[in-house]
Parts: sequence; C-alpha cells; structure tokens
Amino acid sequence: GAVVSQHPSWVICKSGTSVKIECRSLDFQATTMFWYRQFPKQSLMLMATSNEGSKATYEQGVEKDKFLINHASLTLSTLTVTSAHPEDSSFYICSARDQQQRGETQYFGPGTRLLVL
Amino acid sequence: GENVEQHPSTLSVQEGDSAVIKCTYSDSASNYFPWYKQELGKRPQLIIDIRSNVGEKKDQRIAVTLNKTAKHFSLHITETQPEDSAVYFCAARSGGSYIPTFGRGTSLIVHP
Repeated sequence: GAVVSQHPSWVICKSGTSVKIECRSLDFQATTMFWYRQFPKQSLMLMATSNEGSKATYEQGVEKDKFLINHASLTLSTLTVTSAHPEDSSFYICSARDQQQRGETQYFGPGTRLLVL
Repeated sequence: GENVEQHPSTLSVQEGDSAVIKCTYSDSASNYFPWYKQELGKRPQLIIDIRSNVGEKKDQRIAVTLNKTAKHFSLHITETQPEDSAVYFCAARSGGSYIPTFGRGTSLIVHP
C-alpha cells in the first residue's frame, strides 16, 4: 500500500522557537496533503489542506501565519509551527491523497509529537 | 458542511464478543465512508470503507453497513480479540469534496 512518512517523529523545543515537520509520500505522487492536529483522546482536527504548487487552504480558526505550510513538490509538504508555545503541544499528523492511483483513500503519516516547554 | 456523530465514545467487550460502532452523518450528498483504526501513539490505518452504491461490505471479521435513507453507517467486529483494542474513527466524505469529516472516535477495549 501507499506509504507516507513524517519527520521528525517527536520534537521537544523551547517556547518561542519554530519547528518544521516534513510529510513525504514515498511511493506515489500526492497532489493533495492534509495536516491534522490531535489532542489526547480526541479526534483528528483538520488544520489545512496543502495543494502542490499553490497556497494552502486553512480551516476556520487556524492561524495561517503561525502554521506555515509549503507543498513545493508532489512528494513533500512541510508544516512549520512558528514561535511555538506550550499550547501548541500536540500530535500532528499528515495524510496524503493520490486521486489518480489510489482513489479516494487518504494515507496517514506516523505523526509527530510536539512538546513545547 | 458535513457533521458526523459517532457512538459510543467508549466500548468495552470480552474477547470473542461482537462490537458495534455507529455513526450518523448530515450531508445527504456524502458518498464515501471510511473507517480508521488508530492504536495508541500510531497513525490511523484504513480498515474498511464503503461507498454509497452498496449497503454492506465485509472483510473477514469486519463488516460495515450503510443506510442512506437514515444517513447512518456502522462498523461490526465479530469474534473480537485483544489486538482489536484501539480507537476507531468513522468518516464521511461528500462527492463535492475530497476532505472527509471524522467522527470523534470510539475507544474499543477488548478484555482477554
């Protein structure tokens, strides 16, 4: 099946620093990637939709200047949490979709656990 | 937009029993309904999905049923095993969008 990787798997940083998370589709081209945030024992909350070669579409309530998304190639999307604060601590998961090869299924990355001190 | 309700939030069963998780959706245009299993600290994994042109789909111990009229769909797991313990998410996707809406999740605990 399709494989999506994320890096890093976990990160601890000081308040005020920026953290970049990478999401890669390893065996298919992902025209669309999605970034989710998940708090403990809660559902997946869609933050933004990342489209290759164009600006990301952010969900209501998500600050685009704080969560910078770049989808520069068909296999890579990055999420940068700028000036991170403790309340940004969460589990960030990306997913990728290849409509041409894989139909409607979304394939999730393994997630990145962020802890901001 | 779409709204997906999922019940129960927690389900505890004995090994060998069946487990049923139910979801309802609001958008009658939704036509794709995947179910994901997420083990603690891991990624959600697609376990089964159903499209609106069928009423039931089965894959070994897992089955999903869909009632378009009532706008609800259910996940059935038979002969549960401890390794089935996880959080299960339902989702619904409208034909006009490629973004699914997820339910809140059901924590399934299978006791040996």
